[in-house]
Amino acid sequence: AQKVTQAQTEISVVEKEDVTLDCVYETRDTTYYLFWYKQPPSGELVFLIRRNSFDEQNEISGRYSWNFQKSTSSFNFTITASQVVDSAVYFCALRKDNYGQNFVFGPGTRLSVLP
Amino acid sequence: DTGVSQNPRHKITKRGQNVTFRCDPISEHNRLYWYRQTLGQGPEFLTYFQNEAQLEKSRLLSDRFSAERPKGSFSTLEIQRTEQGDSAMYLCASSLVGKVVTDTQYFGPGTRLTVL
Repeated sequence: AQKVTQAQTEISVVEKEDVTLDCVYETRDTTYYLFWYKQPPSGELVFLIRRNSFDEQNEISGRYSWNFQKSTSSFNFTITASQVVDSAVYFCALRKDNYGQNFVFGPGTRLSVLP
Repeated sequence: DTGVSQNPRHKITKRGQNVTFRCDPISEHNRLYWYRQTLGQGPEFLTYFQNEAQLEKSRLLSDRFSAERPKGSFSTLEIQRTEQGDSAMYLCASSLVGKVVTDTQYFGPGTRLTVL
């Protein structure tokens, strides 16, 4: 069975602080894909990143960075110098190999960035 | 290139009524997905289509739920005899899958259903 855990229900930081959102996953598949989505108050899920299980290279995109570690089954997301516009619910999701189509989402972490 | 659109954005209905939601995917996307999201939870997969074929349905999709994608473009999700437990946000997503399966799903704004 597949499962995604986001242990942090809510996080509050002050603007310009760095913040890391944790994601731990469980899967028996050797090939799988991990995703992060952002859901702002407007409700629309916004795609942030996709990473396959064979690519453990960390990725940086502007103020966003992702740390994928298969050894600990984690795919953590760091926002550097947070901004008020980063306030949203962030979801980590797992999709099994090419022939599995349904995503398994974590429960989400609500991030509040205070001015 | 417009994103995924969903109509209506909000629907309030009385228990026992039927409701239908529509999703228009990103143009040329061959896969279309339906999810349900309740307050404080992540989206839960309901079903998906590749072109007009419905390829997978979750156990969450009871007999009261039916989805169609008749021409491989837009899709409808119908809930018959609604129950209060059906109150949720219904999300649609689409993706383009070709020779390389990347399946990055792009989501619409959702339809929020309230059953009184």
